[in-house]
Amino acid sequence: QAVLTQPSSLSASPGASASLTCAVRSDINIGPYRIHWYQQKPGSPPQYLLTYRSDSDKQRGSGVPSRFAGSKDASANAGILLISGLQSEDEADYYCMMWLTSASMAFGGGTKLTVL
Amino acid sequence: QVQLVESGGGVVQPGGSLRLSCAASGYTFSNYGMHWVRQAPGKGLEWVAIISYDVVSKNYADSVKGRFTISRDNSMNTVYLQMNSLRVEDTAIYYCARDMYTNGWGGIDYWGQGALVTVSS
Repeated sequence: QAVLTQPSSLSASPGASASLTCAVRSDINIGPYRIHWYQQKPGSPPQYLLTYRSDSDKQRGSGVPSRFAGSKDASANAGILLISGLQSEDEADYYCMMWLTSASMAFGGGTKLTVL
Repeated sequence: QVQLVESGGGVVQPGGSLRLSCAASGYTFSNYGMHWVRQAPGKGLEWVAIISYDVVSKNYADSVKGRFTISRDNSMNTVYLQMNSLRVEDTAIYYCARDMYTNGWGGIDYWGQGALVTVSS
C-alpha cells in the first residue's frame, strides 16, 4: 500500500472552494510529520505551494496566495490542501509529499483538479 | 533568484549509462541538500535520491539503489546523477530540486525545468 494516497481527480466551480486530501498509510501517524504540497501545470515542473505540520508550524511558498491553505484531519490521518475562491488558473495537478524517518521521500499519486 | 538548470539528458539503450548535471545559482549552494525527482510520461512524481549539503549523507529510492549515484561539487555549485544499467522503466523527466531546509533535509522548495531521459533500443 502506498504511503500517501490522493483521489485521482476533483472538480469544482469557479469561486468555490476545493478540499484536496492526502491520506497517510494507517501504520504511520501523521501527527509529527510535515505535509508538503505542490502544483504542476502541463509541460511545467512542479511548484512549491506550502507546508503544514500544525498551526504553529506552517509556511507558504514565496508568492503563493493566501487562498491556498494547509491543514490536517487527525481522525482521518490525512493532510488537506484547501483552495478557496477557485480560479481557472488553479486547474492543475496537485501532489502531496512527506519526508520519512527512513530519510526518503514519498509522494502521493496526484489529484487532477478541474475548474469548470 | 534561485535557478536550477539540468543538462545531460538524451536517448540511451537499455543497459547503458548517462550522467545528468544540475547547475545551481542565486543562493549559497553549499548550505542546502539537493534531490533528484523523476516523472515518467503521464505519471506522477517519484523521488530518486538526495545528497546532504556537506556531501556526507546520501540516500536512494529502492528502485535505483545500486545503479544510480548522486554526487555534488560545492565549488562548482553543481549536483550530478550518474545513471548506470539503465532500464526502459527509467524513462522519465528528471528534475533537480533544492531541499528547503538549510543544513538539513526534509522538503523541496525549488525545482529545475527537468531533463528528459529516454531508455529505448
